[in-house]
Amino acid sequence: GDSVTQMEGPVTLSEEACLTINCTYTATGYPSLFWYVQYPGEGLQLLLKATKADDKGSNKGFEATYRKETTSFHLEKGSVQVSDSAVYFCALSEKRGSTLGRLYFGRGTQLTVWP
Amino acid sequence: GAGVSQSPRYKVAKRGQDVALRCDPISGHVSLFWYQQALGQGPEFLTYFQNEAQLDKSGLPSDRFFAERPEGSVSTLKIQRTQQEDSAVYLCASSALGVDPQFFGPGTRLTVL
Repeated sequence: GDSVTQMEGPVTLSEEACLTINCTYTATGYPSLFWYVQYPGEGLQLLLKATKADDKGSNKGFEATYRKETTSFHLEKGSVQVSDSAVYFCALSEKRGSTLGRLYFGRGTQLTVWP
Repeated sequence: GAGVSQSPRYKVAKRGQDVALRCDPISGHVSLFWYQQALGQGPEFLTYFQNEAQLDKSGLPSDRFFAERPEGSVSTLKIQRTQQEDSAVYLCASSALGVDPQFFGPGTRLTVL
């Protein structure tokens, strides 16, 4: 079945450090891949997405590339800020008919950035 | 509306009580999903609607859980005879057709005493 394995946290970085959060997936078909972020006290927000192999999703300085050969979708940012402190979730969804189906989530990675 | 809304935001129930959680999806969104998020975990799928049709309820943990979306817009998740293990955040998400991503509401935090 479909599943997502995500790097365990917590991750603690100093401001302006580089960030990588690893995510690998198992899927029966050709999924779309997502990173969602959950800021303290807030709901899940879509951070970025990629719908096919070699696509790169990007937003707010974060990037992730859909790698079919390694079944990975690692999240990267070159210089983190204190405001990036949050929980990050990798997720996948496969098409069911004309629309995307349920999301399969990883366990989440807590990121804390210190000034 | 501007986003997905859920009510109540917080619910405390005594064990054995019934609860009803409401979700208002983004206007015009055909697909609606319910997820359960335990503390420190990623969300787990519960059920899925396309318009008023419940196409997948494979994630509902027991027959105490019931969801409906009678007019293809607002949805209600009902939990009968709540148990302590039902304590979690219940998330609702909606999406348009095609490859549109899911947009989440703020969640309802249910605590069963």
